[in-house]
Amino acid sequence: EDKVVQSPLSLVVHEGDTVTLNCSYEVTNFRSLLWYKQEKKAPTFLFMLTSSGIEKKSGRLSSILDKKELSSILNITATQTGDSAIYLCAAFFYNQGGKLIFGQGTELSVKP
Amino acid sequence: DAGITQSPRYKITETGRQVTLMCHQTWSHSYMFWYRQDLGHGLRLIYYSAAADITDKGEVPDGYVVSRSKTENFPLTLESATRSQTSVYFCASSESNVNYGYTFGSGTRLTVV
Repeated sequence: EDKVVQSPLSLVVHEGDTVTLNCSYEVTNFRSLLWYKQEKKAPTFLFMLTSSGIEKKSGRLSSILDKKELSSILNITATQTGDSAIYLCAAFFYNQGGKLIFGQGTELSVKP
Repeated sequence: DAGITQSPRYKITETGRQVTLMCHQTWSHSYMFWYRQDLGHGLRLIYYSAAADITDKGEVPDGYVVSRSKTENFPLTLESATRSQTSVYFCASSESNVNYGYTFGSGTRLTVV
């Protein structure tokens, strides 16, 4: 069964802390790993990772894929209260067409 | 307005009733998807469609019906709503099946009482 697992499920930190969110996947015909940020409403796209070992960065956020370990991490440095959200990891794969399967999400709360 | 819109935003219905959630996109994207989001489960794929008149089941299709007679619309119908279908429903679209940046609608919060 194809699945994506995230850890931790929830995390509380203080402003300025650095956090690492984890994602592991077991899917057939894997193509890419995606990260989304979800605040009160729809998920918004953060990163797409296809190649192992190549870091993607956007401001204080960065992510990397390890295809050997079937995992990815999302790092957020110098966290701010605006980073409080649910972070979703998803694996894009082919099984009778392209599909995106999501993990359970990590709920991050950043306290002032 | 350009984009992907879902309606209604909120819906309360009774057990056993039929209810339809609407999804409309203006980009002429080929692929459209319905997900439900529940605490502890993340987003789970209900149905998806590769083009008009082509639909297929996702992870949790039971109790749902979809149709896609026009490229821009992808309604999701709960034929006989149950309390377990209380959830937040998201529609998404994508230009192709190799695209990765799915665009999500704002969601419909459905409560079945």
